[in-house]
Amino acid sequence: EDQVTQSPEALRLQEGESSSLNCSYTVSGLRGLFWYRQDPGKGPEFLFTLYSAGEEKEKERLKATLTKKESFLHITAPKPEDSATYLCAVVSGAGSYQLTFGKGTKLSVIP
Amino acid sequence: DTGVSQDPRHKITKRGQNVTFRCDPISEHNRLYWYRQTLGQGPEFLTYFQNEAQLEKSRLLSDRFSAERPKGSFSTLEIQRTEQGDSAMYLCASSLRPDRGSDTQYFGPGTRLTVL
Repeated sequence: EDQVTQSPEALRLQEGESSSLNCSYTVSGLRGLFWYRQDPGKGPEFLFTLYSAGEEKEKERLKATLTKKESFLHITAPKPEDSATYLCAVVSGAGSYQLTFGKGTKLSVIP
Repeated sequence: DTGVSQDPRHKITKRGQNVTFRCDPISEHNRLYWYRQTLGQGPEFLTYFQNEAQLEKSRLLSDRFSAERPKGSFSTLEIQRTEQGDSAMYLCASSLRPDRGSDTQYFGPGTRLTVL
C-alpha cells in the first residue's frame, strides 16, 4: 500500500525566513508526485508535478525537488500570503490514477 | 473556463437523510474524481470516471455511496442514510487523459457536509 508522510506537521516562519517541507513516500512504481496548496475551507490548488528523481520545478518563491525516496518543497523568503497547508500526493502503479495524499504541512508566516 | 465547480458549497442534514452533490469539471477534461477530506487529513480517493464509465472505486465507498456521470460531463455523488461519520469535505477533481496532455488533477472548492 502506498504511503506518504509529510513533515513537519506545522511550521511557523518569520517573514523572509527560508525553509523546506519534506514529503517521504513508499510506493510500488512512482508515476508522479504532486504538490498542492490548500487554504482553509477551499479545495487544493495545484503547484507542481515531478516525474523522476533529480527533477526540479520552480514558481515564484517555491521550488520542488524529487529524489527516489522523498521530495522537498523549498520556500525562499516567504511572505504572509504563503501561509497555507501544503499537501504532497503520489500516483503509482500501472493503470491507477488515484492520488494518495499525505496529511500536509501547515505553514504560518508571521509578519 | 472558470475551473471545476461544485454545488452546494455547504450542506447540513440530519442523520438518516439522503444527500446529493454535483460536480462540473473543466470542460475539455474527460476524467473526473471524487475525494473525501476530514479535518487534519489529506484528501482520500473515493472513485473516478473516464467519460461516463466508472473505472475505479475505493473500499471507502460503502454501499450507501453511489456516483454517476451519465453523459460524461457533470457528476453526482449521493450518500444514502447519512451517518455522523460522513461529515467531511467532499472534493471533486478533473483531468485530461494522460495521452491527451497533462494528467494533473485540478480540484473544485468542495462541498462541506455536516451530519447532525
